[in-house]
Amino acid sequence: DIQMTQSPSSLSASVGDRVTITCRASQAISNSLAWYQQKPGKVPELLIYAASTLQSGVPSRFSGSGSGTDFTLTISSLQPEDVATYYCQKYKSVPWTFGQGTKVEIK
Amino acid sequence: ELQLVDSGGGLVQPGGSLRLSCAASGFTFSTYAMSWVRQAPGKGLEWVSLISGSGGATYYADSVKGRFTISRDNSKNTLYLQMNSLRAEDTAVYSCARVSLAVWGVTDHWGQGTRVTVSS
Repeated sequence: DIQMTQSPSSLSASVGDRVTITCRASQAISNSLAWYQQKPGKVPELLIYAASTLQSGVPSRFSGSGSGTDFTLTISSLQPEDVATYYCQKYKSVPWTFGQGTKVEIK
Repeated sequence: ELQLVDSGGGLVQPGGSLRLSCAASGFTFSTYAMSWVRQAPGKGLEWVSLISGSGGATYYADSVKGRFTISRDNSKNTLYLQMNSLRAEDTAVYSCARVSLAVWGVTDHWGQGTRVTVSS
């Protein structure tokens, strides 16, 4: 099975900072990669699919890139409401595997 | 309004069984594949199982294969997860999730979850 590895596991940044989260697949997955945001006590919400397509309603400060095995989620200017844990997910063929998550906090 | 309401969780002894339900409303349930995803305390998300819209195809994570059974009743707009031979490591919040029609494999809506605790 394909494993998904995120880094870092947590980060602390200041409001307005550019934040980058990395997700690496153990095998090539083309662009079959989604990013979810899970705020404390809430269900996850879809941010990005197909590695770089922003879900409707998601602020444009979020962006995704990558293909094959290496992917990134970038928050161009961190806002207080972005405090959450972010998960990447490999999809298309089962099993659908999530990364272990990256917890983002405000410094 | 689209809703996914999970229920059926609780405390069960190791080796025991539990059946979870997910009541769907606000969309044409039979059109969508559905999955179950769990989150152990303080841990990340783990995909558990998937069922096609008709119920004719099912898939499982290796960690639950042979112990869990996913099913659906499209006449009742309800998804189920029958969990047998439960282990301590199955302790988690279980959420049903709707699979996007536009992008196969992507979850576009989640239930709030129901907590399952396996302990003696």
